[in-house]
Amino acid sequence: NAGVTQTPKFQVLKTGQSMTLQCAQDMNHNSMYWYRQDPGMGLRLIYYSASEGTTDKGEVPNGYNVSRLNKREFSLRLESAAPSQTSVYFCASSVPGLVNTEAFFGQGTRLTVV
Amino acid sequence: AQSVSQHNHHVILSEAASLELGCNYSYGGTVNLFWYVQYPGQHLQLLLKYFSGDPLVKGIKGFEAEFIKSKFSFNLRKPSVQWSDTAEYFCAVNARSGGYQKVTFGTGTKLQVIP
Repeated sequence: NAGVTQTPKFQVLKTGQSMTLQCAQDMNHNSMYWYRQDPGMGLRLIYYSASEGTTDKGEVPNGYNVSRLNKREFSLRLESAAPSQTSVYFCASSVPGLVNTEAFFGQGTRLTVV
Repeated sequence: AQSVSQHNHHVILSEAASLELGCNYSYGGTVNLFWYVQYPGQHLQLLLKYFSGDPLVKGIKGFEAEFIKSKFSFNLRKPSVQWSDTAEYFCAVNARSGGYQKVTFGTGTKLQVIP
């Protein structure tokens, strides 16, 4: 199983450019998440999707949009990139409910905005 | 809203020393608790998890954690660390928020083990 797959792994953007980070999981999970990881701040939730067709804001949603295209895919879009969005982005998925609900993570996308 | 606090941001230990990393959460309902590890340059991997039952949970690589409900704590321990344990460790809580299950992470603890 591939698990959670993120693309691209690395990206450099100029301020104001847009891009979409792709995430797909093959574990039939309902819940999917986008986090950003910054030094000293741990993982902060940007958006999450409890199921296909639903999305909710996390702690730091400003400057981002998401699309839950289907059960497998959850994309994160930066409409106008800013240097403050330089970070490592992780996508994750999990099974909702109180049993076996660990999150599985993708390999991450290292984004630099110059 | 649920939150997770990790009090130690950076820990430096010599090999064979004992480790305890603190984790406290704030949420009044039923929770699932996790510790994840991130080795340098890699993604997060599950170290251990607590859902119910015995509050002392054993994970991979000799790690264990104890859930103390009265203290809202889930501290990670290892009797004798190795250089290969150098990594960043994240505590996480999965609880119901706004009708959905949501995973919240602590800010992480960087562990550096000196040979």
